[in-house]
Amino acid sequence: KQEVTQIPAALSVPEGENLVLNCSFTDSAIYNLQWFRQDPGKGLTSLLLIQSSQREQTSGRLNASLDKSSGRSTLYIAASQPGDSATYLCAVRGGYQKVTFGTGTKLQVIP
Amino acid sequence: DVKVTQSSRYLVKRTGEKVFLECVQDMDHENMFWYRQDPGLGLRLIYFSYDVKMKEKGDIPEGYSVSREKKERFSLILESASTNQTSMYLCASSFPWAGGENTEAFFGQGTRLTVV
Repeated sequence: KQEVTQIPAALSVPEGENLVLNCSFTDSAIYNLQWFRQDPGKGLTSLLLIQSSQREQTSGRLNASLDKSSGRSTLYIAASQPGDSATYLCAVRGGYQKVTFGTGTKLQVIP
Repeated sequence: DVKVTQSSRYLVKRTGEKVFLECVQDMDHENMFWYRQDPGLGLRLIYFSYDVKMKEKGDIPEGYSVSREKKERFSLILESASTNQTSMYLCASSFPWAGGENTEAFFGQGTRLTVV
């Protein structure tokens, strides 16, 4: 059974700092990995999708990397802003099209 | 833009009631999913469907059933609601992974269900 872990569970940083969120998974036989953002009481917004054959994806200030063999992904956020405050979730798609989520990292960017 | 719409943002139901949560997507996605989200437990998969009338149990299907009569609509049914089913319910849809690029999962806004 696929298990996805995100560390740290919570993170507080001053505005302008660069930061890295971590995601690890136990079964490397994945099709893709997706990073989401969730604001309090809301649904999930997709940030980046990395296919299993790719090493990284970039969108604006966000960069996600994938090392499938070691079961790790990182989400790098450059020049953090208060509007980046949210919970960040990673999810892996594996066998039978199942998508398994980590428990998330709650980020607070302090002005 | 892909749109996944859940019929209600907030619901309050009584113990023992039969509850229907509806989800509709407009992107012709084959795959649809129902998750529940609880503090400290993250998102857990209840059921998913990979085609009309096809369904697979997820990790926590007990107490739930699903219906997919049309491609765009996936319903989650609580046969007899209980207080431990109080949670945030999230629906998602995507194309199936078939070696292509377009396999992002898209989520609805969530339904917060309270069972009293």
